[in-house]
Amino acid sequence: DTAVSQTPKYLVTQMGNDKSIKCEQNLGHDTMYWYKQDSKKFLKIMFSYNNKELIINETVPNRFSPKSPDKAHLNLHINSLELGDSAVYFCASTRSGEDTIYFGEGSWLTVV
Amino acid sequence: SQQGEEDPQALSIQEGENATMNCSYKTSINNLQWYRQNSGRGLVHLILIRSNEREKHSGRLRVTLDTSKKSSSLLITASRAADTASYFCAMTTDSWGKLQFGAGTQVVVTP
Repeated sequence: DTAVSQTPKYLVTQMGNDKSIKCEQNLGHDTMYWYKQDSKKFLKIMFSYNNKELIINETVPNRFSPKSPDKAHLNLHINSLELGDSAVYFCASTRSGEDTIYFGEGSWLTVV
Repeated sequence: SQQGEEDPQALSIQEGENATMNCSYKTSINNLQWYRQNSGRGLVHLILIRSNEREKHSGRLRVTLDTSKKSSSLLITASRAADTASYFCAMTTDSWGKLQFGAGTQVVVTP
């Protein structure tokens, strides 16, 4: 009965590779987010989608491309991975008009 | 730039004691939320306080909000070892629910 689930939980990959992180929510929400948590635990929003439409796009390199095939899914694809991309990536979701945002367990990305 | 700052950065207490952490922010907010993150885990929503509210309670948690001072506090009463975690305040300032986080307070509760 996981609410917001992300895969994979851990990912170790080499510089230059392309990787994807997938997110699914079964809460019936229409808004989904990607957040990045750096090594100092600072959390910052990257993207947000509402009903499959991009509504928030923070200053993120073009190598990061989110894709929302439907309201319940928001995937994050990263091209040409760099060492600085190593972080924990959190997916989150909410319903429009509601304030509480629910987070997934995170995906730990390590670029070597 | 970071919207929220938390104080203290770290807090070490014994079981049974109260833990208080503070959050200050820079701009007007719609609401302020507190999250807990256990080591290696995701963020768990604890409590939300709206900009027109001054105090809220949920179990052993008490949150205050002072919009004139742009600050909030989270009090955990009668702490337990299981309360050991990082606590984050997060503010929403727009209608899309974009959260802007503080840097977090790391709380360690020793038995």
